Amino acid sequence: KAGVTQTPRYLIKTRGQQVTLSCSPISGHRSVSWYQQTPGQGLQFLFEYFSETQRNKGNFPGRFSGRQFSNSRSEMNVSTLELGDSALYLCASTPGGADTQYFGPGTRLTVL
Amino acid sequence: AQRVTQPEKLLSVFKGAPVELKCNYSYSGSPELFWYVQYSRQRLQLLLRHISRESIKGFTADLNKGETSFHLKKPFAQEEDSAMYYCALSPQGAQKLVFGQGTRLTINP
Repeated sequence: KAGVTQTPRYLIKTRGQQVTLSCSPISGHRSVSWYQQTPGQGLQFLFEYFSETQRNKGNFPGRFSGRQFSNSRSEMNVSTLELGDSALYLCASTPGGADTQYFGPGTRLTVL
Repeated sequence: AQRVTQPEKLLSVFKGAPVELKCNYSYSGSPELFWYVQYSRQRLQLLLRHISRESIKGFTADLNKGETSFHLKKPFAQEEDSAMYYCALSPQGAQKLVFGQGTRLTINP
């Protein structure tokens, strides 16, 4: 099976812009989770989607949002970008229960 | 509060020596605990989870509920074990991971 894929792999934006990142889970996986990784804060959970519904949410401002489509692909959006949003954004997929999470390679976002 | 603490940011040992990466957690319920590893230029991947009680690549981890610890051990380190190691917990019933800050393990020849 193909692994989790994320597009784009690298992105450069300026403050105030918005950005959309995409994640395609492993075939058959219905749950997609998103994480932000920074040198200072480490890996932090953003949110999790299952069957197009957000099931869990981390402690991030409302500028961070996501959605999941009927084919389980997921997107996350960050509006009004700030310098501190520069990070590696990882997504992970699981079949749906309390399973092992399989991670994608990440999208490196740089905000200038 | 849910928290995972890995007290060592960096750990360096010689090939053939025993390795122990420490992990302590804070959670009021019964969490599921994991060790994830990230080798150079590779994606984050599961090393082991406590419920499976498996030994992967010679690594084992025992859950100590009294000490709220989940330390990762290997009796004889190999150079290919050099990587970033993350301890993580999943709260009961929630599909999310709370990660520690990670420990960079370097195995010297």
